[in-house]
Amino acid sequence: GENVEQHPSTLSVQEGDSAVIKCTYSDSASNYFPWYKQELGKRPQLIIDIRSNVGEKKDQRIAVTLNKTAKHFSLHITETQPEDSAVYFCAAGREGSQGNLIFGKGTKLSVKP
Amino acid sequence: NAGVTQTPKFRILKIGQSMTLQCAQDMNHNYMYWYRQDPGMGLKLIYYSVGAGITDKGEVPNGYNVSRSTTEDFPLRLELAAPSQTSVYFCASSYGGTRMNTEAFFGQGTRLTVV
Repeated sequence: GENVEQHPSTLSVQEGDSAVIKCTYSDSASNYFPWYKQELGKRPQLIIDIRSNVGEKKDQRIAVTLNKTAKHFSLHITETQPEDSAVYFCAAGREGSQGNLIFGKGTKLSVKP
Repeated sequence: NAGVTQTPKFRILKIGQSMTLQCAQDMNHNYMYWYRQDPGMGLKLIYYSVGAGITDKGEVPNGYNVSRSTTEDFPLRLELAAPSQTSVYFCASSYGGTRMNTEAFFGQGTRLTVV
């Protein structure tokens, strides 16, 4: 089955700096890669996703890149703000198939003012 | 739309007791999932369902059972509660199916403590 590794487990940056979180996956058939943000005590919520037919996707200050050959994808947050502090999860799954997303262990991002 | 609704929000169980965590969605999603999240850890898939009458095991199914008699409901059953099942449980749903796999919507979670 699919296995998703996520690094780092914790990340601390100064406000205004960039943050990068990396994930690798094992199942070459996976073609859907979402990122979720979970604020303290709240439910995970989708912030951005990418499908295997593109290599990069951007939405304001966040971007995701995908390297299918190397089986890794990354989340980039620029100009970080204190409200970006949360736990971020990557996930991998297959479209049009069983649809069971496998999540990474999460990265706790702290943005210091 | 209410989205994904989980009940209860909190529960304390004694060892050996049983209970059912309820999950309902009103988005006509085919796929539903149960995850557990241990403190400081990620989400582990317990069971999932691709449609009414169909369920399948995830990464950590032992000690749990599910059923999917309707599209809307996906209850999770704990038969003999153990301290190792102390966790936060999240139900989620997504459209899935023959269309592209879309966003998974999560319920607000159930915090379960087994003492």
